[in-house]
This record gives sequence, structure tokens and C-alpha cells, in this order.
Amino acid sequence: QSALTQPPSVSAAPGQKVTISCSGSSSNIGNNYVSWYQHLPGTAPKLLISENNKRPSGIPDRFSGSKSGTLATLGITGLQTGDEADYFCATRDSSLSAWVFGGGTKLTVL
Amino acid sequence: QVQLQESGPGLVKPSQTLSLTCTVSGGSVSSGIYYWSWIRKPAGKGLEWIGRVYASGTTNYNPSLKSRLTMSVDTTKNQFSLKLSSVTAADTAVYYCAREYYDFVFDPWGQGTLVTVSS
Repeated sequence: QSALTQPPSVSAAPGQKVTISCSGSSSNIGNNYVSWYQHLPGTAPKLLISENNKRPSGIPDRFSGSKSGTLATLGITGLQTGDEADYFCATRDSSLSAWVFGGGTKLTVL
Repeated sequence: QVQLQESGPGLVKPSQTLSLTCTVSGGSVSSGIYYWSWIRKPAGKGLEWIGRVYASGTTNYNPSLKSRLTMSVDTTKNQFSLKLSSVTAADTAVYYCAREYYDFVFDPWGQGTLVTVSS
């Protein structure tokens, strides 16, 4: 069982918007930066969002991140079939002195 | 552009030591602003942070694995490595290496390597 809770799956039609939640606690999300990653099986996970809401160079502005209290959210607008992947969140846990991850959310673009 | 590539045996016997190496290209493990981390994903389970090593050799380990872990950096080969002793089937997973920036983010990651613990 992962320390951070994500929905197992989300789906939407091309062109639509989805949000993926990542719920934690005060020892992790509540007091540390959250990052988000896109992962296609067999490939290296790819950084989408750092420090709660910063997009690295090369990441389209269709991807956005936010955080409120112990809940972080990834938003994806203008969905494309190429966005089909697993998405997971990550943050440090101050109590555990370790990184913790969400269980991952599989995005299906119908 | 920095790239990371894991290497090592894909099959390890129970009670033996799992050894993996991550080769860094396009950048230097000697860079003082990054940690070099290991993360794993057992089949059907979530990601688990294993630990990290700094260019100086300083390490931080997941408390749940600490007693079995050794991580190191080889600046001459631009590599860092993981050793996990006394493995069991529960250690079967895809193992990833990644560059970590100061508790903020992992970027980039290697593509991962499957290690199976079985006799």
C-alpha cells in the first residue's frame, strides 16, 4: 500500500480535461514539494511537474500542478491519445526520512 | 542531456546479494548539487524509494531496507551502485536509478531493469 493515495484509473475523451489527485499527510505533501511523473511501461519515467506546480522545459502547458494542504493535483487539458500512460506523484516524508510515492493512475484517452 | 542506464544480473538466488550499477552519461556524478538515487517497483505494487548516495559518498537509506543496503559512487567510471544483501522473493522488482535534486525532484530516470530473485 502506497503512502500517497491516487485513483487507480481515470479516463476522458480526446480534447477533454482530466485531473489526478494525490492525497497524503502533513508529514509528506503537507510540508514538502510534490512532483509528478508520466510513465510508459518499459521506459524511463518522465518528469512533468516539479515543486508542486513548475513545468520543466519542454513540457507543454497542457500539464499543470497544484497543491492545497495535503492534497496535490495534476491537471491535463486538451487530451491526446499520446497522453495515455501511468502518472504518479512523489514527495519526501519528513517523519520517515524517505521519499514516498503514489500508487499510480492509469490514464485512458477514449 | 543527462542519461542514466542500469545494469546488472537479472536473476539472483535467494539469500545472495543483488548488485546493480547505474552509468551516467552527459553529466557527472561528481556534481555537488545532486543525489543519485535508487527506486524499485515490485510487480503489482507501488514505487519504493531505496536510498541515495551523494558524490562525497554520503548515503541515506530507506529505514526499512537500511540493514541490507550499501550504495557507493565511482567517480572514475561516472557510475553509482547498489548492493542489497540477503535477498528474498520480495525483492523481485524493476529497479530504477535516478538523479535527485535536493529533496525536490527525480530527473532524469533510467529505464529500469528487472531483477528476479529465484532459485
